[in-house]
Amino acid sequence: SQKIEQNSEALNIQEGKTATLTCNYTNYSPAYLQWYRQDPGRGPVFLLLIRENEKEKRKERLKVTFDTTLKQSLFHITASQPADSATYLCALVSGGYNKLIFGAGTRLAVHP
Amino acid sequence: DAGVIQSPRHEVTEMGQEVTLRCKPISGHDYLFWYRQTMMRGLELLIYFNNNVPIDDSGMPEDRFSAKMPNASFSTLKIQPSEPRDSAVYFCASSTTSGGRYEQYFGPGTRLTVT
Repeated sequence: SQKIEQNSEALNIQEGKTATLTCNYTNYSPAYLQWYRQDPGRGPVFLLLIRENEKEKRKERLKVTFDTTLKQSLFHITASQPADSATYLCALVSGGYNKLIFGAGTRLAVHP
Repeated sequence: DAGVIQSPRHEVTEMGQEVTLRCKPISGHDYLFWYRQTMMRGLELLIYFNNNVPIDDSGMPEDRFSAKMPNASFSTLKIQPSEPRDSAVYFCASSTTSGGRYEQYFGPGTRLTVT
């Protein structure tokens, strides 16, 4: 069956360091992958989309990689700040270009 | 734009009662999604619509759940009768594929508690 795995444990890092979050998937061949941020009590907010033919995508301090051979995406936040503390969700398209399956999310805590 | 609007933001009801959740998508978006989020199961897609037509309802847990989209600016998710295990946060999201964009815009959610 299709499965998406994100680090279930919270990631604690110090301000200024680079945070790296992992998303692994099995039994998928997604045309694209998305990353969302979710703050407590709020809905997810879209951050980045990367397509299967793209190896890397950047947006300001964010960088996403997509390795279809390893079936893995890495999400990096450089020069992290306490305001980056949130839960980050990866989502894969499944069965069409608009149906997303979400991972359980990884909680990131950036400490001053 | 005001973004995706959901109401009510909180709903507390007793088991067996009917619950109706409402959503107004972003104007111009042609896709609408209903999700449910719990600690145990994460964010699950329940159903989605394209141009007001239901496309995939395979995530709807059972016949107690139903969703409608009578027009491009309004959708409802109804649970009848409600059960304690339906307690969760329900999100509505909308998107458009215009310009090859696939990101979804989520509303603030409705926190449902069934006692």
